[in-house]
Amino acid sequence: DQQVKQNSPSLSVQEGRISILNCDYTNSMFDYFLWYKKYPAEGPTFLISISSIKDKNEDGRFTVFLNKSAKHLSLHIVPSQPGDSAVYFCAAREAFNAGKSTFGDGTTLTVKP
Amino acid sequence: DVKVTQSSRYLVKRTGEKVFLECVQDMDHENMFWYRQDPGLGLRLIYFSYDVKMKEKGDIPEGYSVSREKKERFSLILESASTNQTSMYLCASSSSRQGNSPLHFGNGTRLTVT
Repeated sequence: DQQVKQNSPSLSVQEGRISILNCDYTNSMFDYFLWYKKYPAEGPTFLISISSIKDKNEDGRFTVFLNKSAKHLSLHIVPSQPGDSAVYFCAAREAFNAGKSTFGDGTTLTVKP
Repeated sequence: DVKVTQSSRYLVKRTGEKVFLECVQDMDHENMFWYRQDPGLGLRLIYFSYDVKMKEKGDIPEGYSVSREKKERFSLILESASTNQTSMYLCASSSSRQGNSPLHFGNGTRLTVT
């Protein structure tokens, strides 16, 4: 039973447009959600996070939206740049078991110049 | 800057060999983790540790063990390597167990078992 799902394996957008990456989860005990970005031959790097008491968190070009009732979150990148091309992982944690992160399968984003 | 170093980028081992994957972090982090990444399966947690000498099983511990003798070092051991353990292995650390404390990853070790 996969508790965190990223249903789109890949996404292609034009430079300057918006990229929207989606993530769904099933475990209602998840309280924190984090996005990581991974380039080939490198480990994932932390991008942005949101706690379940919020519905939006913004950091520069990156915004994460959380819809707790739908158990859905999304990462918006505006404007998209070619350097954003990478694999994006959604991860979720429970507040009282925060050492463990459950990851989705990842979405490969390609931003075309 | 935060640094997690995995000793090997690529390893090729034979079935039945004992394999050691080493990970060192220089951030004085309490928590360390081993994940494996496979296409279509994302990152799956193998083992983690909240302190020296301490270890906890993750979601897929079968066929693996770990060692944490020093705070900065966390080793993953494949007791008898099998072909289904061919994968990308990622070590990570974090400063606290708070929910928004991010993981810091190494660059990974791609292990091939033949």
